[in-house]
This record gives sequence, structure tokens and C-alpha cells, in this order.
Amino acid sequence: DAGVTQSPTHLIKTRGQHVTLRCSPISGHKSVSWYQQVLGQGPQFIFQYYEKEERGRGNFPDRFSARQFPNYSSELNVNALLLGDSALYLCASSLGQASYYGYTFGSGTRLTVV
Amino acid sequence: DAKTTQPPSMDCAEGRAANLPCNHSTISGNEYVYWYRQIHSQGPQYIIHGLKNNETNEMASLIITEDRKSSTLILPHATLRDTAVYYCIVEGSARQLTFGSGTQLTVLP
Repeated sequence: DAGVTQSPTHLIKTRGQHVTLRCSPISGHKSVSWYQQVLGQGPQFIFQYYEKEERGRGNFPDRFSARQFPNYSSELNVNALLLGDSALYLCASSLGQASYYGYTFGSGTRLTVV
Repeated sequence: DAKTTQPPSMDCAEGRAANLPCNHSTISGNEYVYWYRQIHSQGPQYIIHGLKNNETNEMASLIITEDRKSSTLILPHATLRDTAVYYCIVEGSARQLTFGSGTQLTVLP
């Protein structure tokens, strides 16, 4: 079975630009979460989507948005990029909403803002 | 959510058991203890989780003290591929994982 797939793997953008990151969950998983990991720190929660609805949001500005499609894949959008948005963006899928279902993470998208 | 305290780094000899401690003195009754690890430049990998009882799977064992204020992750026969940052996370029914700084485990040949 394919794991969680994310695309692209690496991306370089200029300040002020917009970026879209994509995630395909494990087949049968209905929950997708997004995390940001800045170099040297643990991942930080951005969003959770379950059954195509936003179910949780972390402490991130409105420049960050996401959506989940009928096939449960998801996109993370970031507008007006700042240098501080440079990070590894991780997608995690799960059967259900709660933590005890366990999360499977993808390998991430490395975003560099210059 | 309860906070966890982990040592920033540990070393372990290859083939020996690696015992990674975690303190979570403010854990509440409905909160689980989770362990994830992250090998450099990859996404975190789920290892194990538990509520009250000790748990074992093909990767590791989780020992939770009777008062639930601390736990230990045991990798029974560490290999070089177990070198990673190990995160101990305490969460209830929350819809996210709150990662701390973790423990950098280095397995030495």
C-alpha cells in the first residue's frame, strides 16, 4: 500500500509569492493534518481536516489555508510568503479525528523562501 | 495538554537496549502517552502509544509507571538505523499532536 504522498518534495519561492502544497492520504484514511517544522524544532500543528471539513486549527495566521477534496486528498495554501515560512511542511493521515487512531506522516515538502 | 520532559540527548551501544525516559507529571486520566521518532529529513514515524498498561509491539515496549507520571520507551536491541529524534507526546482526544524538542538518540557502533 502507498503511504502518505506529498508533492512537491522541494520548492523555492520568493517573498510575497503564493504556494500550494499537496497531500494524498493512505487509502481509507479520512483525516489529513498539516504540520510545519522549522529547522531544529519539533513539528507544529497547522490544520486538521476530516470528512472534508476543518476540524482543528493551530496558531497560524490567516495567510495559511487548506482544504480537503472528496477523495480525501488535501492542499495547503500559503499566501504572501515570508522568509520565516521556510520550513518542512508535513502531512499526516489518520483513520479518524482523534490522536489515538495514530498518524502516518509523509516525508514532507521542503519550502525555501528567498 | 500535559507537558513532557525528555533529556535532550542520549547515546546507546549497538545491540544494547535503549531506554528513553519521559516525565509527564501533570498527565490527566484520559490522556494517552505517544512515542514518535524522526529520522533526519523524514516525517515522524509512529512507534507506540499507551494509556495505563505497558504495551509492546514489533518496534518497542512502553513502560508507564503506576501513577502515570512518567514512562520509558525501550528499544530492545538498538541498531544504527534507530538513530533519530524521539518524541514523547501526551494527548487526550485532541485532534493534534503537540511535539516538544524530543531526545536525540545516537546509536554507536
